[in-house]
Amino acid sequence: NAGVMQNPRHLVRRRGQEARLRCSPMKGHSHVYWYRQLPEEGLKFMVYLQKENIIDESGMPKERFSAEFPKEGPSILRIQQVVRGDSAAYFCASSARQGMSNSPLHFGNGTRLTVT
Amino acid sequence: TQLLEQSPQFLSIQEGENLTVYCNSSSVFSSLQWYRQEPGEGPVLLVTVVTGGEVKKLKRLTFQFGDARKDSSLHITAAQPGDTGLYLCAGVGRDDKIIFGKGTRLHILP
Repeated sequence: NAGVMQNPRHLVRRRGQEARLRCSPMKGHSHVYWYRQLPEEGLKFMVYLQKENIIDESGMPKERFSAEFPKEGPSILRIQQVVRGDSAAYFCASSARQGMSNSPLHFGNGTRLTVT
Repeated sequence: TQLLEQSPQFLSIQEGENLTVYCNSSSVFSSLQWYRQEPGEGPVLLVTVVTGGEVKKLKRLTFQFGDARKDSSLHITAAQPGDTGLYLCAGVGRDDKIIFGKGTRLHILP
């Protein structure tokens, strides 16, 4: 069952290091969304990408965070110079078509980032 | 800014009881989705409601979209331990952006 695959499941980084989170969307899906979830919080939108394009990055911090979805390979969420406040669960979701109303999101099981 | 308020935040009830959780906003949404999330996993879509007043049933779960498309409820009949989880509502705005509530954490005691 080729669902949305995220790796690693758990990632521990020291302050100042870089974190790279990978997401392979469901087969046939070309729309990828990244969300962040803190304990007892809902999902906060970060960025929406299509192949080779960032469509909406309004939820992503301007500094240290970047995302890409290359023509080949998984989508990558990159956090440079991590700080303790970056510790959270990061979820990736994919959809087949643009437009949330028409195409539901399929989520991966997340990457839990811990910054020590 | 569109916000979705979910209530209650936490709910712990005995197996066999009925319950209702709510999702409210002052904004109008083109559709509303309900997800369930279990510990260590990603959210899984349960249902999408689109039309004001729409009611959808999924076995013992009944979802309703408010007439004005600003709110929604989820009613569970005869709750079972397998219903335990975090229930998230998500509204799809006119700009096609999806906004998530903080969720209701449900615990069904056997």
